[in-house]
Amino acid sequence: DQQVKQNSPSLSVQEGRISILNCDYTNSMFDYFLWYKKYPAEGPTFLISISSIKDKNEDGRFTVFLNKSAKHLSLHIVPSQPGDSAVYFCAASERGGGADGLTFGKGTHLIIQP
Amino acid sequence: DSGVTQTPKHLITATGQRVTLRCSPRSGDLSVYWYQQSLDQGLQFLIQYYNGEERAKGNILERFSAQQFPDLHSELNLSSLELGDSALYFCASNSGGGILGTQYFGPGTRLTVL
Repeated sequence: DQQVKQNSPSLSVQEGRISILNCDYTNSMFDYFLWYKKYPAEGPTFLISISSIKDKNEDGRFTVFLNKSAKHLSLHIVPSQPGDSAVYFCAASERGGGADGLTFGKGTHLIIQP
Repeated sequence: DSGVTQTPKHLITATGQRVTLRCSPRSGDLSVYWYQQSLDQGLQFLIQYYNGEERAKGNILERFSAQQFPDLHSELNLSSLELGDSALYFCASNSGGGILGTQYFGPGTRLTVL
């Protein structure tokens, strides 16, 4: 039973446009959400996070939106750049991300087209 | 560079064997987490140690065990290996202890069981 779902295995976006990656979750006890980016042959790299007490968090070109009632979050990248091409993982935690294992989605492969 | 190191990078072994994977957390981090990434399951949380003690358990098989030493490095022991244990094994660290915070991942160890 997958508690964190990323339903799009891949997404292709033109350079300069907006990339929107989606994530749904089923566990209402999750209170902290994170996005990680992963290049081949490297470990996941933390990108941005959001606590369940917020509905939006922004960091430069990256914005994460959280809709608790829909159990849905999304990552917006504006503008998309070639270096953004990677696999993006959505992750969630029941205890603030600092004292528990993370539950990951299966990832979305983002491809930025020149 | 996340500051988390893992050795070895690659490991090839045969079914039935036992291997040990090693992880050194970021300087000052007390918590170590182990994850397994296989092709069909994505990233799965295995186990967490905090300051030498087991803190949380995920989908870890009984054939697998881990420990964290006084210098805070951790080892993941995999025994009676099966073909299905072939995967990428990641270690992550953070300050832990229930403090809100992200986890920082190492580059991973790729295990191939033949």
